Amino acid sequence: GAVVSQHPSWVICKSGTSVKIECRSLDFQATTMFWYRQFPKQSLMLMATSNEGSKATYEQGVEKDKFLINHASLTLSTLTVTSAHPEDSSFYICSAPGPNEKLFFGSGTQLSVL
Amino acid sequence: DQQVKQNSPSLSVQEGRISILNCDYTNSMFDYFLWYKKYPAEGPTFLISISSIKDKNEDGRFTVFLNKSAKHLSLHIVPSQPGDSAVYFCAASDLLAGQNFVFGPGTRLSVLP
Repeated sequence: GAVVSQHPSWVICKSGTSVKIECRSLDFQATTMFWYRQFPKQSLMLMATSNEGSKATYEQGVEKDKFLINHASLTLSTLTVTSAHPEDSSFYICSAPGPNEKLFFGSGTQLSVL
Repeated sequence: DQQVKQNSPSLSVQEGRISILNCDYTNSMFDYFLWYKKYPAEGPTFLISISSIKDKNEDGRFTVFLNKSAKHLSLHIVPSQPGDSAVYFCAASDLLAGQNFVFGPGTRLSVLP
């Protein structure tokens, strides 16, 4: 079946460094991918929609320069958290619309900024 | 304003009994609904979906019911198993307007042995 692979699953970094998270659709193409953030005991919050070959669409309140999104191919979208700070520590998840109008999720990335 | 609501933050059920998770929505344009299960520090796992042309969809132990007039859907798990303990999210979308799903806040289900 359709699979979305997200890497890395866990990353710890120093404050001020940048972290890149990859999201790949393994056996289907995705012109659109979604990036979410989840704080403990809260719902998934949509951050942005990445569009292959064009600029990402960001939700209100999400800093474009802070969370850089690149959708370089039909199977890969990346989220870069630039100059990460402790308040950026969170669980980040990507998803992609796949076959049969279903939404397939990556396994998530736990980011811890020291 | 929350468009998708799950008013019960948590639910405890005895193993073998039925678990009923509820979800309400406000946008009458929503025409496609999904239920997801999520374990801690993992991505959500798709469970079951239903489109607005149906009022029921079954898949094994999982059944989703949709009441369009009440803007309400529910997920029934029968029989409940300890491995079902997780957070369950419902999500809704207006597919004609694109596939941007709106998620509810989730309900934590605990199935007690």
